[in-house]
Amino acid sequence: QITLKESGPTLVKPTQTLTLTCTFSGFSLSTSGVGVGWIRQPPGKALEWLALIYWDDDKRYSQSLKSRLTITKDTSKNQVILTMTNMDPVDTATYYCAHSQGYSGYEDYWGQGTLVTVSS
Amino acid sequence: DIQMTQSPSSLSASVGDRVTITCRASQSISKYLNWYQQKPGKAPKLLIYAASSFQSGVPSRFSGSGSGTDFTLTISSLQPEDFATYYCQQSYSTPRTFGQGTKVEIK
Repeated sequence: QITLKESGPTLVKPTQTLTLTCTFSGFSLSTSGVGVGWIRQPPGKALEWLALIYWDDDKRYSQSLKSRLTITKDTSKNQVILTMTNMDPVDTATYYCAHSQGYSGYEDYWGQGTLVTVSS
Repeated sequence: DIQMTQSPSSLSASVGDRVTITCRASQSISKYLNWYQQKPGKAPKLLIYAASSFQSGVPSRFSGSGSGTDFTLTISSLQPEDFATYYCQQSYSTPRTFGQGTKVEIK
């Protein structure tokens, strides 16, 4: 059974760096074809894809946010970490991590999401 | 980035209705198109991948079609549990962009 869970701060101040951790079970991020991605959703708005890391450490980013995002993995801990620098109130959103299948695949298992509010 | 445009943005329908949602890509994405269902306060759920392949456990009243730039999600007979927001997503290239969503509401 594949499960994922996001953790991190619920409140960050403008200009701060956000660090989110996705802890997963039921699969290995060293298995060929597997990836873990991050997607966010501002309140009442659409989904926005942010970043993805593959089993071979290939990393992909949203072009509009690339300069602010870093995605890393710790295979031994079954964790993927997303950092986003220079947080702004417009970054207030629910952040989801998801298991991804294949290079041209899909996000088939999702975490429950974690709401991050950016406010002073 | 590849832009995904869904239509309509919202619709009202009754239980038993046939519902069709369309998704258009700004360039050809072959069959790399996924559909998700999201209910309020919940994570999205994968319904269909690769334009027409069912995710395990998805009811057969859901179907997907299309290739290239134009795609369709059809619910053959709307059920009460289908009232939700539906998103398309292209996975032809990264970033894997989503459409803006279609909210299906009760008439």
